[in-house]
Amino acid sequence: SAVISQKPSRDICQRGTSLTIQCQVDSQVTMMFWYRQQPGQSLTLIATANQGSEATYESGFVIDKFPISRPNLTFSTLTVSNMSPEDSSIYLCSVDPGGRGELFFGEGSRLTVL
Amino acid sequence: GQQVMQIPQYQHVQEGEDFTTYCNSSTTLSNIQWYKQRPGGHPVFLIQLVKSGEVKKQKRLTFQFGEAKKNSSLHITATQTTDVGTYFCAGRGNQGGKLIFGQGTELSVKP
Repeated sequence: SAVISQKPSRDICQRGTSLTIQCQVDSQVTMMFWYRQQPGQSLTLIATANQGSEATYESGFVIDKFPISRPNLTFSTLTVSNMSPEDSSIYLCSVDPGGRGELFFGEGSRLTVL
Repeated sequence: GQQVMQIPQYQHVQEGEDFTTYCNSSTTLSNIQWYKQRPGGHPVFLIQLVKSGEVKKQKRLTFQFGEAKKNSSLHITATQTTDVGTYFCAGRGNQGGKLIFGQGTELSVKP
């Protein structure tokens, strides 16, 4: 298992601004995953963050909108840039510490854009 | 692309009744996982099924993986109020790749 801390837990932001979400894991992991969960919806993978290389983005998500940093094996950030109300979602960080494909999630960052 | 469909979207039961949610994939899966998300919480891993026809139990929860590895089910016997939440299946294709989540089934339990 893994203990994952995310900050902020929630925020209310103005349209056009950017917000950076932090994810800290209590153990070293190769990959960190960023998911979006829109209200009442399922989980959609935004990107996979590897230490020492650029993140891999899924279809429909681009680096300019969701820049990701992965400075070391226990930490990552996701920035939501130039926000609009459509970006209002829960953003979740997750890891697979055992390498068996079993994901552990952070508590999530609930973002509301006005 | 690969799709994972989950039904029903909502299920309301009386405490003590059974509950089942079903998951179907458009393609053969290498494995399927189940997660539970309590209201206001984050998804929590429950189990992973890998083998064709596999059945696993966790107390009152029974998980099945179909023979063709394209469908799965989660059955809860005698629901309790602590079972409230949204249950997600998530499948990974035969070629590996990312985990695809179903839409989830939201379970409410009336005491």
